[in-house]
Amino acid sequence: DTEVTQTPKHLVMGMTNKKSLKCEQHMGHRAMYWYKQKAKKPPELMFVYSYEKLSINESVPSRFSPECPNSSLLNLHLHALQPEDSALYLCASSQDWDQNTEAFFGQGTRLTVV
Amino acid sequence: GESVGLHLPTLSVQEGDNSIINCAYSNSASDYFIWYKQESGKGPQFIIDIRSNMDKRQGQRVTVLLNKTVKHLSLQIAATQPGDSAVYFCAERGENQGGKLIFGQGTELSVKP
Repeated sequence: DTEVTQTPKHLVMGMTNKKSLKCEQHMGHRAMYWYKQKAKKPPELMFVYSYEKLSINESVPSRFSPECPNSSLLNLHLHALQPEDSALYLCASSQDWDQNTEAFFGQGTRLTVV
Repeated sequence: GESVGLHLPTLSVQEGDNSIINCAYSNSASDYFIWYKQESGKGPQFIIDIRSNMDKRQGQRVTVLLNKTVKHLSLQIAATQPGDSAVYFCAERGENQGGKLIFGQGTELSVKP
């Protein structure tokens, strides 16, 4: 199983809503990532978790709050988002953050903030 | 056909031709590189990787070349097929970068039947 599963696939939310994106992998990977991708642009790193601890926060606004409940799950909690936060949110995992092995990506959650 | 990465973000080739997609990376401390393929509406899909102690690696119909002197990476696709149409990203990582996998700007490959 080399799959990273993200739910939901699509999400529309208002600026006052609270929602969560979910990501799951069962490859035994110890590093998990959140990326944000705008149309026709490369994925931009937001957060890195290593062994369930936040190791990198790329100066992401606090309206995005990551959580790693266990080694297989990664959540991204959203609150008071802005329309410019509309994007494809990608989750990825790799064997470990400090080993040079490939990162596997999920299909993403297409988020629209209205 | 050949792209120059940042300056020519689109590449159009005829089916059956070979494609070359280029990428200039920025960090001389990067020691691991990956090429990803991203189709419309999907997440990036791993194609091939290369470590900095190598200058060439081959997969099925794909070859990655690494030139550390000029910080340049290329992806060669042999006998390009319509199913190869996608955006291709290079990504780099370094041991001193705390696990960050950083993506280049991407090249959109369009294969004409």
